[in-house]
Amino acid sequence: DIVMTQSPDSLAVSLGERATINCKSSQSILYSSNNKNYLTWYQQKPGQPPKQLIYWASTRGSGVPDRFSGSGSGTDFTLTISSLQVEDVAVYYCQQYYSAPPGFGQGTKVEIK
Amino acid sequence: EVQLVESGGDLVQPGESLRLSCAASGFTFSNYWMHWVRQAPGKGLVWVSRINGGGSTTTYADSVKGRFTISRDNAKNTLYLQMDSLRAEDTAVYYCARADATMFGNWGQGTLVTVSS
Repeated sequence: DIVMTQSPDSLAVSLGERATINCKSSQSILYSSNNKNYLTWYQQKPGQPPKQLIYWASTRGSGVPDRFSGSGSGTDFTLTISSLQVEDVAVYYCQQYYSAPPGFGQGTKVEIK
Repeated sequence: EVQLVESGGDLVQPGESLRLSCAASGFTFSNYWMHWVRQAPGKGLVWVSRINGGGSTTTYADSVKGRFTISRDNAKNTLYLQMDSLRAEDTAVYYCARADATMFGNWGQGTLVTVSS
């Protein structure tokens, strides 16, 4: 099974500042035939189900603000919130869908400093 | 609009059984793989099981293999999770999710299963 590891477990960022979350997979999740990274990012607010933010490692979902961006390839990935807003307080998860089981990272809690 | 509505969560004792349901609407249910994901209180997301559109292929997390059974009724647009021999560590909110090429674009609101004596 592919193991997903996020860092840090939590971070506190001032409003308007940048938040960066890292996600590392135990093996490459880049599919060579289509050059796509099979990685997605979710945002989960308290009491709500997760919401998909980013897929193919860097494609924003419909309606997702452009302050959210994803990058990386192979085994190392990053979710960046360029200017943290109050409504971005949440737990963020990465997930690989390269192979079954489609495992999640342990989550990163983002708070306001 | 895609809608997924879970039901069936309850408080049960260790060793008992429970069946969860997920009613789907707003899309052609039989065209999609469906998954169950759970989240223990205050913890992260854990994938549980999946089933293909026709119901012929299923996969389980090691932690539930042999105890849980995923199934679907495409005529009723409903996904199921039969949970037997429940343990305290199965306590969680259980979400159903629709999978497409980029994984889980749609989730239900979840249903809470509590296993306690």
